[in-house]
Amino acid sequence: DSGVTQTPKHLITATGQRVTLRCSPRSGDLSVYWYQQSLDQGLQFLIQYYNGEERAKGNILERFSAQQFPDLHSELNLSSLELGDSALYFCASSVPQRGGGDTQYFGPGTRLTVL
Amino acid sequence: AQKITQTQPGMFVQEKEAVTLDCTYDTSDQSYGLFWYKQPSSGEMIFLIYQGSYDEQNATEGRYSLNFQKARKSANLVISASQLGDSAMYFCAMREGRGGANSKLTFGKGITLSVRP
Repeated sequence: DSGVTQTPKHLITATGQRVTLRCSPRSGDLSVYWYQQSLDQGLQFLIQYYNGEERAKGNILERFSAQQFPDLHSELNLSSLELGDSALYFCASSVPQRGGGDTQYFGPGTRLTVL
Repeated sequence: AQKITQTQPGMFVQEKEAVTLDCTYDTSDQSYGLFWYKQPSSGEMIFLIYQGSYDEQNATEGRYSLNFQKARKSANLVISASQLGDSAMYFCAMREGRGGANSKLTFGKGITLSVRP
């Protein structure tokens, strides 16, 4: 158990709908990252938050948005869903690593299926 | 150019033997970090081992060691005494820079490892 929690574990919805994925980081971790894993794109970084502020953005679609709340949990909002958004969405949180840098620990993921 | 390359399509190893999973990387940064993660069929991503670009010794964590060859830009994972539970997908990842404000990971496509009894 990494200590990172994600809900829900599975989500099935229809095209055009909107969903919210929730993540609670490990106790004490200030950074939260979101990744998308799909068969065609592999594992891709979406966005990073640090202590409530957006820090880095990757290949995140404009239909997707995220935020980190004062209690450090984060939500990823996906709207106007398309079939191609079906994927495993991971949240990770980080701890400082010796010599600089951070090790990211991943949650169990939310498997999104868009029908 | 791909930043992380994992070209082995699938690997097989006999239980109790050692296996090496290859990873090459591409970066112009002097400071970076290399990570290996394991993804069993259940789907979770499990952190295995980390190597910083300035670390002079190869990282080790239990049965896992990282064969870091900086000049060749390779960071191969060595699993000793393979166990049936090691059967999984293994991902190599890189963080460019020292982390903190810029800690995103770039992942390779992964390697499937199957351990035979």
